Amino acid sequence: DIQMTQSPSSLSASVGDRVTITCRASQSISTYLNWYQQKPGRAPKLLISAASSLQSGVPSRFSGSGSGTDFTLTINSLQPEDFAAFYCQQTYDTPQTFGQGTKVEVK
Amino acid sequence: QLQLQESGPGLVKPSETLSLTCTVSGGSISSSSYYWGWIRQPPGKGLEWIGSIYYSGTTYYNPSLKSRVTISVDTSKSQFSLKLSSVTAADTAVYYCARHSSGLYSAFDMWGQGTTVTVSS
Repeated sequence: DIQMTQSPSSLSASVGDRVTITCRASQSISTYLNWYQQKPGRAPKLLISAASSLQSGVPSRFSGSGSGTDFTLTINSLQPEDFAAFYCQQTYDTPQTFGQGTKVEVK
Repeated sequence: QLQLQESGPGLVKPSETLSLTCTVSGGSISSSSYYWGWIRQPPGKGLEWIGSIYYSGTTYYNPSLKSRVTISVDTSKSQFSLKLSSVTAADTAVYYCARHSSGLYSAFDMWGQGTTVTVSS
């Protein structure tokens, strides 16, 4: 299985901060990488697919980049509604696998 | 607006079979553009893909669960189902059904709200 490792596992930030979450794959996955946001008690929500393609309706402060093994999710100017857990997912190979998650908390 | 809704028992005894159904409304389960999948999340932990099915019945499963998992589809009812046999406490989780594209770059773009399943005697 392809292992997906996110860092950090958690971070504390303030409204208006720029936040960067990284995801590293155990082997090259091209750009077969998605990002999800999950709020407590809710289903995950797709933010970004194919490493950098923003989903319709997702605010432009979210952006994704990377290819191969190293990927980044960036949130510019963190908003109150952005405090949540974020997961990366690879779909390059079966089984598709998720990172362990990054929790963005209020500082 | 497409909606997915999980249903099934919230409590299953160890060694028994977990059975869940996902009902799709507001769209066609028979679309050639999508697969329909199951994902689970143990309490306080991350996400694990269980398996997916195409409307034709083609399935693919996570090898770690393959020996215990069966996913089926009933297009006449717009439903797909999950059966997980020989459950243990480790199968306690929130179970989600979701849709993902059948194309090259696949992602789960629509999710059910999730249903909590506890394995306990």
